[in-house]
Amino acid sequence: ETGVTQTPRHLVMGMTNKKSLKCEQHLGHNAMYWYKQSAKKPLELMFVYNFKEQTENNSVPSRFSPECPNSSHLFLHLHTLQPEDSALYLCASSQDRRTVISLGANVLTFGAGSRLTVL
Amino acid sequence: EDKVVQSPLSLVVHEGDTVTLNCSYEVTNFRSLLWYKQEKKAPTFLFMLTSSGIEKKSGRLSSILDKKELSSILNITATQTGDSAIYLCAVEWEADSGAGSYQLTFGKGTKLSVIP
Repeated sequence: ETGVTQTPRHLVMGMTNKKSLKCEQHLGHNAMYWYKQSAKKPLELMFVYNFKEQTENNSVPSRFSPECPNSSHLFLHLHTLQPEDSALYLCASSQDRRTVISLGANVLTFGAGSRLTVL
Repeated sequence: EDKVVQSPLSLVVHEGDTVTLNCSYEVTNFRSLLWYKQEKKAPTFLFMLTSSGIEKKSGRLSSILDKKELSSILNITATQTGDSAIYLCAVEWEADSGAGSYQLTFGKGTKLSVIP
């Protein structure tokens, strides 16, 4: 375990379903991230939260809805997904996201991922 | 246009071989380059490089940054089957100077397979 826990590890859903992915970190970090990892593509940043505030949304479709109730928990709510959304969704955390912070504060600790299959 | 390019995309070697993985980048306001190892689960942090020519080493793995060439290499000596993984390179950079936060862009990764 890396200190970042993701559930569920595997999820199969139909296009009309509503489901949620959960991420919890026990590292005392202030920044949390959702990444999408598809085959033969670089890791794609989806959302960033720093001190519970969303600081980045990389043009992610509205069928993905993040929620960050506190610095330790991050959710990704899924609704009416498409088959091309099937991928590994990785949660990560880091100490901080701001430039004034020293080197190393932006080093990510990843969770093991949630493998999503949309039928 | 890819800002971080890794090569090769995949590599198959025999146990005991030495491998060199490459990462090149093209970003503004570079801050650091990071290497991660991803087996079947979470990518795990290997190295962070900020200065040219200074080798970081951990066991059989080592890495060095060349800021003039905008690139880095990751070396693995005496490879073992446990080294089989995807190796990810990521570059930390600031899109707009003074904007307040750094971006982190990943390459596609190099899939290394070590066969007995």
